[in-house]
Amino acid sequence: IAGITQAPTSQILAAGRRMTLRCTQDMRHNAMYWYRQDLGLGLRLIHYSNTAGTTGKGEVPDGYSVSRANTDDFPLTLASAVPSQTSVYFCASSEERDQPQHFGDGTRLSIL
Amino acid sequence: QKEVEQDPGPLSVPEGAIVSLNCTYSNSAFQYFMWYRQYSRKGPELLMYTYSSGNKEDGRFTAQVDKSSKYISLFIRDSQPSDSATYLCAMSASGGYNKLIFGAGTRLAVHP
Repeated sequence: IAGITQAPTSQILAAGRRMTLRCTQDMRHNAMYWYRQDLGLGLRLIHYSNTAGTTGKGEVPDGYSVSRANTDDFPLTLASAVPSQTSVYFCASSEERDQPQHFGDGTRLSIL
Repeated sequence: QKEVEQDPGPLSVPEGAIVSLNCTYSNSAFQYFMWYRQYSRKGPELLMYTYSSGNKEDGRFTAQVDKSSKYISLFIRDSQPSDSATYLCAMSASGGYNKLIFGAGTRLAVHP
């Protein structure tokens, strides 16, 4: 079934550790996005990529980095995790940057 | 003040009822409007998207945009227990459906 695969589905991590959240899509979508979802705040955009080889900052980019080496993969890295990064992280993609976005099922991350 | 406001609920209705879900917004530049449905521990699922003002219907769902009042609505007719989920509105100002600003979501419970 075509779609977005995120891994891991959940993770508990010690503060200060480095963590990479993986996102792969098989729809050949050009645009990809990372969001975090926190209770009462809704989804907030962390980083985005309009096409392979390009990335941009969203609303809450601090403490996160991304890369887009190819069309299918868009990993999100926390270089040194802090407890405030405890959240549910969603990856999304769209055919082009101006098209509606489709989401994966998320990674639940707890930083202790 | 948040750019997009959404009553968190929960909204509890009997099966078969007509449900009205609403969002208000403050940025008059928003032109692209979307509704997502999110089941527990799943990613948001795109329901409907509209550009500018007016109504759009898809099966039991109708999306309505009133730009003069900065107000959007999602109506669900003949609601079913399977409609029980959190409903998220999202909107963006220009360049299509990217750089989305999300509401925090309204939790809906449809009881048999």
